[in-house]
Amino acid sequence: ELKVEQNPLFLSMQEGKNYTIYCNYSTTSDRLYWYRQDPGKSLESLFVLLSNGAVKQEGRLMASLDTKARLSTLHITAAVHDLSATYFCALDGVWEGGNKLVFGAGTILRVKS
Amino acid sequence: GAGVSQSPRYKVAKRGQDVALRCDPISGHVSLFWYQQALGQGPEFLTYFQNEAQLDKSGLPSDRFFAERPEGSVSTLKIQRTQQEDSAVYLCASSLDRVETQYFGPGTRLLVL
Repeated sequence: ELKVEQNPLFLSMQEGKNYTIYCNYSTTSDRLYWYRQDPGKSLESLFVLLSNGAVKQEGRLMASLDTKARLSTLHITAAVHDLSATYFCALDGVWEGGNKLVFGAGTILRVKS
Repeated sequence: GAGVSQSPRYKVAKRGQDVALRCDPISGHVSLFWYQQALGQGPEFLTYFQNEAQLDKSGLPSDRFFAERPEGSVSTLKIQRTQQEDSAVYLCASSLDRVETQYFGPGTRLLVL
């Protein structure tokens, strides 16, 4: 059974601090996505990671992929309030005969002033 | 350009009522996906279209759920005889092709009373 597990599920952090969100998955995949969702809004694509060792950065967010460990991380540097949102990782591939994105449960991030 | 649009944004239905949810994908996007997102959870895959062909409907929870995309653009997700457990946000996503990044619409929030 394919599993995508994120931790922590809830993260409260002070502005200016660094932290990492982890995404573990149970099988090999073609690609891994990170999405952001603001309350009541839809999902916004942040990163797509295609190969082992891939690292992508945008502003204060950096995502990496280790396919051997089946682990992706989303690192937050010097957090600011605007980063408060729910972050999802999603695995893309062919499972059970069909192409589909499988999402983790999400990490709720609250950045306190 | 215009993103993925969905209508209605909110729908309240009485138990047993039929509902129809509409998705307008990004123009030119071949692939279209429907997801169900329960409160506090990540989106879960329902079904996938490539043009007008429904290639994967393995995520549809019951035969009360039906999706179509007759002309390969607009899609409708229909739920017959709604039940309280159908209450969720229904998200539509489209992509240029199956392996490209999926862009999500704002969702339809369905509440079944």
